[in-house]
Formats: sequence, structure tokens, C-alpha cells
Amino acid sequence: AQKITQTQPGMFVQEKEAVTLDCTYDTSDQSYGLFWYKQPSSGEMIFLIYQGSYDEQNATEGRYSLNFQKARKSTNLVISASQLGDSAMYFCAMREGKRSGANSKLTFGKGITLSVRP
Amino acid sequence: ETGVTQSPTHLIKTRGQQVTLRCSSQSGHNTVSWYQQALGQGPQFIFQYYREEENGRGNFPPRFSGLQFPNYSSELNVNALELDDSALYLCASSLDPTGANTEAFFGQGTRLTVV
Repeated sequence: AQKITQTQPGMFVQEKEAVTLDCTYDTSDQSYGLFWYKQPSSGEMIFLIYQGSYDEQNATEGRYSLNFQKARKSTNLVISASQLGDSAMYFCAMREGKRSGANSKLTFGKGITLSVRP
Repeated sequence: ETGVTQSPTHLIKTRGQQVTLRCSSQSGHNTVSWYQQALGQGPQFIFQYYREEENGRGNFPPRFSGLQFPNYSSELNVNALELDDSALYLCASSLDPTGANTEAFFGQGTRLTVV
């Protein structure tokens, strides 16, 4: 089974409107971290926002916020007041566990293309 | 800008050749991870280095190997290149290898084309 699932086709949003990008995950670990990254055409992965599995509040970071539903294993990214510069690929990723000796590898989804229209 | 730098930015190699990609981690970060991102896909974990030792490996053959140096910079070596090795190779540095809540900072990547 896929650990991170991003199934939306390319998304379009009008400038200044809000958009939600979906992500579901699968893990048996109790402790894990969920990340969203933005990848513009230049290729660099830019960290946007993080949600810990034990965090009770939804994470927010400027115009980015997460709708974290632990029971449903989903962590959707909400971008408010979209800007033209938000056009990019968006990746959801998970880091599992905090066990001794574990490494901190990230498991990524396939990404979602977001296009912001003027 | 993250402070993680990769070189070169672009590279073209012939099938069967060997290639070395380089990564300088962000200051203070002792953990470096390498990822391969094929076109249209999400990054796939290759391996991680922590304090000069390999600390976990993804599903990649042994011809993918790496090194980490005392200053925590790192190299990714790929021998006997195949056409399917054409991808964007991303390096990420982080503060420690085990914390679930430690974000990784990525470099701009090396785009490798194998012909």
C-alpha cells in the first residue's frame, strides 16, 4: 500500500482565492511527522509546514495551514490568498517513528501541480 | 535559500560511466540524505549519512554508494550508469537523524541525464 497518496489531478485556482491540496497517509507508527514541500520549476524542495502526530492543534504558517484529521489519516494543505508565485508542484511527505537508530527518511507522495490564474 | 548546495547543477553522462554528485549541508547539520526524483514522480530515498556512517538505505542497488566527510558534506556515487538513472538528485540536510519533527532542508538538486 502507498504510504502517501496524493490523487488530485492538476489544480487550478484564481489569484487571491484559497485552495486545498489533499494528502492521505498510511502508517502503523504512533509517532510520525507530516510535511509539505513546494517544488517550483527550478527543482529545489522548499519546506512549507509541519504537523506532528501528537500535535493537537492544526499547524499554521503564514498563508499555509493544515487540516489534520488523524483518524482519517489525512493532512490537507490549505493555501489562502493564492499568489502567482504559488504555482508549483506540492509534495506531502511523512517521516515515521522516533525509534532509537531510526533514520529520518522522508516518504513522498507523487505531488500535485498547482496553477494560479491571474 | 537553505544553505544546502549541490554540484554540479546539470550533468550529461553516457551509459556505463560513473558519476559523483556533491552536497554541502547546512551549517550545524550532521545528517545528509539523498533522494532520486524521476520525472513526474516524488523523490525516492536513496540513503542517509549521519556522522560519516550510512544510517539507512532505500531500495537502490549497490552501485549507488555514498560518503560523508568530517565537515558533514557528502557525495553520491553511481557506477555503471543506466538510462533509468536519469533523474533529479536531491540532497537534504537535517539536524539529527532520528527526530520525527526535524525538517529537512533541500538543495537545488543535480539534474543527471544518461544517454
